[in-house]
Amino acid sequence: DIQMTQSPSVLSASVGDRVTLNCKASQNINKYLNWYQQKLGEAPKLLIYNTNNLQTGIPSRFSGSGSGTDFTLTISSLQPEDFATYFCFQHNSWLTFGSGTKLEIK
Amino acid sequence: EVQLVESGGGLVKPGSSLKLSCVASGFTFSSYGMHWIRQAPKKGLEWIALIYYDSSNKYYADSVKGRFTISRDNSKNTLYLEMNSLRSEDTAMYYCAKDNIGTTLDYWGQGVMVTVSS
Repeated sequence: DIQMTQSPSVLSASVGDRVTLNCKASQNINKYLNWYQQKLGEAPKLLIYNTNNLQTGIPSRFSGSGSGTDFTLTISSLQPEDFATYFCFQHNSWLTFGSGTKLEIK
Repeated sequence: EVQLVESGGGLVKPGSSLKLSCVASGFTFSSYGMHWIRQAPKKGLEWIALIYYDSSNKYYADSVKGRFTISRDNSKNTLYLEMNSLRSEDTAMYYCAKDNIGTTLDYWGQGVMVTVSS
């Protein structure tokens, strides 16, 4: 099974900050990496699919990059509604999730 | 607007059974594969099952194979997960999610809680 490792597990930041979240796969997953946002009591929301494609309706402050085994999600200017948990997900070989990064207010 | 609404969760004893439902709206349900994913308390997400749009293929995680059955009724826009021989480690929030070719899990429900405890 492909293991997905996210870092950091918790990130403290302020409104307006630029933040980068990391996701590393245990083997090559090509471009097949998605990012999701999860808020307490809400359905997880797809932000980025296949490394760098913005899902319809997602603000352009979210962007993704990477290839092979190393991927990043960048939020260019944090908004109050962005404080949530983010997890990565690979669908190159079966389906596995990262353990998540909790983005909290500093 | 795509909506997925799960139901059927609850508190059950080890060894018992439970059947979850997920009612879909806002898209042509019969054209898309569907998944079940779960998240145990304070743990990460685990994919557990996939069913093709026409029920022709079904896939399961090893952790639930032989105990859980995924099914669907396209006439009712409803996805099911029948869970047998439940164990304490099956305690989790269960989500249904819509598949999309090339994108995979593009929409999720809000989840339903299943607690297995004596």
